[in-house]
Amino acid sequence: DARVTQTPRDKVTEMGQEVTMRCQPILGHNTVFWYRQTMMQGLELLAYFRNRAPLDDSGMPKDRFSAEMPDATLATLKIQPSEPRDSAVYFCASGTGRGEETQYFGPGTRLLVL
Amino acid sequence: GENVEQHPSTLSVQEGDSAVIKCTYSDSASNYFPWYKQELGKGPQLIIDIRSNVGEKKDQRIAVTLNKTAKHFSLHITETQPEDSAVYFCAASKADFGNEKLTFGTGTRLTIIP
Repeated sequence: DARVTQTPRDKVTEMGQEVTMRCQPILGHNTVFWYRQTMMQGLELLAYFRNRAPLDDSGMPKDRFSAEMPDATLATLKIQPSEPRDSAVYFCASGTGRGEETQYFGPGTRLLVL
Repeated sequence: GENVEQHPSTLSVQEGDSAVIKCTYSDSASNYFPWYKQELGKGPQLIIDIRSNVGEKKDQRIAVTLNKTAKHFSLHITETQPEDSAVYFCAASKADFGNEKLTFGTGTRLTIIP
């Protein structure tokens, strides 16, 4: 049963600390999306990659957020320094990128910044 | 950019009755419309999708209809069951290769009353 995995599932940190969230896309998928979900803003696209190259990161605050794909099996989202307003659930999703639009979501990382 | 509106925000129906959730979109070039179900503590999961060359699609108790002229699409769940209780999101995209960005609606919390 192929699934997107995310670690950690929960993270509590103090303001100013660096946070790194990791995602393993479904094997063979070459498109990876990062979303943020809050009660106020709903599901927001932060960034997405194809073949490890960033295609769009316009939804991501550039001053503190960064997203990378060190290899085809790992995507990372970093926040440095973290702020209380970053508290949210962060989802990773992957897709085949071959003209098929279906996105498969991971279980999310619940982040709380104190 | 695309804007997707979703109604209602909450919906309660008696078990066995039907539920209907409606979405409108703004970009006439959008051609792919998925529906996701999100259970508590989990990531959104695709339940059904429709493309703009089709007016209706059905999968057991779930159906989606699309009116391109009016730019709206709807999710229909018949014979509702307690396990249908969840938050449902509609989304839209211009599903050209290289442009799979989804714009999500704000979600509908569906509660099935036993």
